Amino acid sequence: DQQVKQNSPSLSVQEGRISILNCDYTNSMFDYFLWYKKYPAEGPTFLISISSIKDKNEDGRFTVFLNKSAKHLSLHIVPSQPGDSAVYFCAASGGWTGANNLFFGTGTRLTVIP
Amino acid sequence: DVKVTQSSRYLVKRTGEKVFLECVQDMDHENMFWYRQDPGLGLRLIYFSYDVKMKEKGDIPEGYSVSREKKERFSLILESASTNQTSMYLCASSTEVRHSGNTIYFGEGSWLTVV
Repeated sequence: DQQVKQNSPSLSVQEGRISILNCDYTNSMFDYFLWYKKYPAEGPTFLISISSIKDKNEDGRFTVFLNKSAKHLSLHIVPSQPGDSAVYFCAASGGWTGANNLFFGTGTRLTVIP
Repeated sequence: DVKVTQSSRYLVKRTGEKVFLECVQDMDHENMFWYRQDPGLGLRLIYFSYDVKMKEKGDIPEGYSVSREKKERFSLILESASTNQTSMYLCASSTEVRHSGNTIYFGEGSWLTVV
């Protein structure tokens, strides 16, 4: 059962506009959320994260918003650039030990059109 | 910089062959992971390890085994490769059980094709 869901497999945005990538989760025990970016033929790299005690975290052009009541988070990229074209994975983490505590979504392929 | 190195980037193997995928990390991380990535399915955890000689099943362990004889090395083994194991395999390591921030680092991936 997929505990982290990214319902949009792909997204196309014009250069300079805002990209909004969405992610939903089902497990209320998750307390840390991360976004990873992946270029073809490379491993994912960490982009930005947010703790459940916050509702917003910003890093340059990237902002992650967390709505705990809706179990929803989103990644905003403003302004979008062609180099942002990649697959973006949402991930959620819980604090338990002894078993896997990091779960990934299925990814959203972002294409930024010049 | 943390480096996670997967020794084989591209492999083609025949059905029934035994396949070894090797991964080495250079940051003395306790935790190591093997994922596979397939279109539309995201990153799925195969096996992970919290310490030398320790291993735990992930979400899709069937058809795979792992070996961790040294802290820096985590091997994924396909005992008898099948075509449905054609995929991109990603190794990762982390220093914390809690995956906060950027504490999980991925290798560049190994593309395996089973024919």
